[in-house]
Amino acid sequence: GEDVEQSLFLSVREGDSSVINCTYTDSSSTYLYWYKQEPGAGLQLLTYIFSNMDMKQDQRLTVLLNKKDKHLSLRIADTQTGDSAIYFCAESIGANRDDKIIFGKGTRLHILP
Amino acid sequence: DTEVTQTPKHLVMGMTNKKSLKCEQHMGHRAMYWYKQKAKKPPELMFVYSYEKLSINESVPSRFSPECPNSSLLNLHLHALQPEDSALYLCASSQGFGTGDWRKLFFGSGTQLSVL
Repeated sequence: GEDVEQSLFLSVREGDSSVINCTYTDSSSTYLYWYKQEPGAGLQLLTYIFSNMDMKQDQRLTVLLNKKDKHLSLRIADTQTGDSAIYFCAESIGANRDDKIIFGKGTRLHILP
Repeated sequence: DTEVTQTPKHLVMGMTNKKSLKCEQHMGHRAMYWYKQKAKKPPELMFVYSYEKLSINESVPSRFSPECPNSSLLNLHLHALQPEDSALYLCASSQGFGTGDWRKLFFGSGTQLSVL
């Protein structure tokens, strides 16, 4: 079946690194995504990784994929107050036009001063 | 222009009203989506239009009626809604199926709908 699991809450001090974790169940996932949602706003695609990659880095963001354990993580270096948001992990499966993107429940990142 | 614009931002309606939500994008995207998001929950897919044709309907009640008049516009017509339909309604777009980035979704800010 299709399921994406995330912890619901993470609290990090400003300037530290944040690591948000996600597990998924479908081994045929092709792309895995991280979306950010700030209060009162839509979702913003932060980064994504193709399933044949292990790691992707984009400025302060590092995505790690362990396909064997079906585990995805997002590391935010030097966390800032503007990083406070809900982070959704998502997976897409296959290449069929009817395939959907499955979202996790989201991890709320809280920044401590 | 990398924006998806949704109007109105907020909407309050009674159970007997008819209203419409609107979504517009000028990125040349050929896939457009409606999602429903309840508080503290992930978005749930409602409808997908691909090249102006309805390609996915996630068993949404008929009181929600989508319309795609052209490749830039997407509407969601609402009629006889229930209080449990109160939610944030998000529109998204992506490049058309078959292109490299067809699953990279660009979201609008949403319409916060309250049904009384």
